[in-house]
Formats: sequence, C-alpha cells, structure tokens
Amino acid sequence: GENVEQHPSTLSVQEGDSAVIKCTYSDSASNYFPWYKQELGKRPQLIIDIRSNVGEKKDQRIAVTLNKTAKHFSLHITETQPEDSAVYFCAASITGGYNKLIFGAGTRLAVHP
Amino acid sequence: KAGVTQTPRYLIKTRGQQVTLSCSPISGHRSVSWYQQTPGQGLQFLFEYFSETQRNKGNFPGRFSGRQFSNSRSEMNVSTLELGDSALYLCASSLDSTGYEQYFGPGTRLTVT
Repeated sequence: GENVEQHPSTLSVQEGDSAVIKCTYSDSASNYFPWYKQELGKRPQLIIDIRSNVGEKKDQRIAVTLNKTAKHFSLHITETQPEDSAVYFCAASITGGYNKLIFGAGTRLAVHP
Repeated sequence: KAGVTQTPRYLIKTRGQQVTLSCSPISGHRSVSWYQQTPGQGLQFLFEYFSETQRNKGNFPGRFSGRQFSNSRSEMNVSTLELGDSALYLCASSLDSTGYEQYFGPGTRLTVT
C-alpha cells in the first residue's frame, strides 16, 4: 500500500548549522511532494513543495530535492535559527483527482542557540 | 484572504455520542480534505470532497462520514464515538481538483471520555 517513511524522527542542531530530513515513498505514481512545518499547538504550515518534473527547488534557506528513480526526497534547511524548531512532515500524493496526502511520521527538529 | 477556519476548536464528548465538525475553506478553494492527527498514528487521510462529491476516502470505518456544500464548506460527522476517536481533526483546502498546495485549518481537538 501507500507509505512514506521519514528519517530521522528527531534532529538536534546548533544554530547556524544545516539540517536534512529524508523521506522515501512507496507508490511510484506519486508526483507531488509537499513539506509541512507544525509548531506546538499550531496548524501544519506548507513551507515548500516539489512536483515530479523538477529535481530541486529552493526558497531562501530551505530547499527540497527529489530523486524519482530512488523514490527519495529530502528537505534541506541552511543557517538554522531557533524559530525553525518544530515538527516537519513530508508527504506524497498523486495529483489530478485524488488530493490525498500520505504523510511521513514527522521529524522533531530542535535548534539550540 | 482569510485562512481555513474550523469550528468548534475544542470538543468533549462521551462514548456513544455523535459529533459534527465544520470546515470553511479559503475563499475560492473548491477542494476540502480531512485528516486525523494522533500521537500514535500521525496524520491520516479521512476523505476529500470536490464540488460536493467525495472523491477519495481513507481507511476509516463507516462511522466517519462527511459532506460538502455548494459554497465549498464541509462538515464531517463521527457517529457512535469511541475512546480511540480522540484526536485533532484537521481540514485542508486547495484551489482546484489537482491537489496542489493544501492549506490546513487550526483543527478541532476532540476528546472522547
């Protein structure tokens, strides 16, 4: 069945370091891969996404890469700041009539000053 | 534009009762998806509505149902509540049928006692 595995489950970095979160999806038909940030008690917030026709996408300090052959995609955060501390979720879906996001289990990122 | 709103924000119910949760999507958005978030199971897809039609349903029992109105607002209903239904119920809206860019509401925290 559909499955998204996410690693690591927790990640602790020093302010200014980079953080990388990796996900693997099972359904080769998946073609849309969003990332969400959820702060404690808040709603998941869409921070970046990538479509299957693109290998990499950047937005300021965050970037996402996609390897369709290996069915891997990753989130990269550079120059981390304490406000980046949150739980990050990757997701995969098949667009065009399904709108069903399959989420990874989440990564709790702690950025220490 | 105003974001996705959900009512009520908190709800306490007793086993065996039923509950109705409401979601108002971002103005102009026509697709609404519902997700259940629990510490043990993470974020799980419940169902998705587009133009008042349920197009996709997750692996939940028939006690979970929903509907969408002509103004795109959506409701979900859980009948015969069980203790295990305690969770944060999130809805997400997206502009059209493609499934890109789903934006979440703040959620309804349901506690079943």
